[in-house]
Amino acid sequence: AQKVTQAQTEISVVEKEDVTLDCVYETRDTTYYLFWYKQPPSGELVFLIRRNSFDEQNEISGRYSWNFQKSTSSFNFTITASQVVDSAVYFCALSEARSSYKLIFGSGTRLLVRP
Amino acid sequence: EAGVAQSPRYKIIEKRQSVAFWCNPISGHATLYWYQQILGQGPKLLIQFQNNGVVDDSQLPKDRFSAERLKGVDSTLKIQPAKLEDSAVYLCASSPTGTGGFNTQYFGPGTRLTVL
Repeated sequence: AQKVTQAQTEISVVEKEDVTLDCVYETRDTTYYLFWYKQPPSGELVFLIRRNSFDEQNEISGRYSWNFQKSTSSFNFTITASQVVDSAVYFCALSEARSSYKLIFGSGTRLLVRP
Repeated sequence: EAGVAQSPRYKIIEKRQSVAFWCNPISGHATLYWYQQILGQGPKLLIQFQNNGVVDDSQLPKDRFSAERLKGVDSTLKIQPAKLEDSAVYLCASSPTGTGGFNTQYFGPGTRLTVL
């Protein structure tokens, strides 16, 4: 069965620290997609990144970077030099062909960046 | 480009009452989703439409929840009668053509429902 685990419920860091949010997934499908979404206090889910199961290249976008490792079924998200505006709940999600590509979300990690 | 619109943003009702939520997806997006997000949890899919047809409603409590997407654009989600455990944020999302995983889902601001 498909499953996404975000073991870190809450992380608190001081501004400018680097922080890594962990995501571990389970799937039996060979074709699947992984996502990260940000949910600020306003409540709207903001898309950050999508990766497919055939592309294990790590990606960097500004202060954000993602490490996808199929060998450990992990898709971790790192924020470099964190800022107060990064404070939000971050969700990792999985979609797979056998489930009509619906998103299966983890329980989220609440990140608090203190000034 | 306008994002996904939802209304109302907040709703408070008594248990056993009925309530309806409205969603207008991004223009041209064929696929529309309704998710339920209970406090402290990740969103859970309730129903997925492809144009005006249902793709997946396996997790929709059909004894009380219903949804429709007339003309393949706007959608309405209804709860009748509401229970205390229905208190949650109801999120609408849309994605471009098809249901492939390569289609990113874009979310609206959600409707926060409180059932007293």
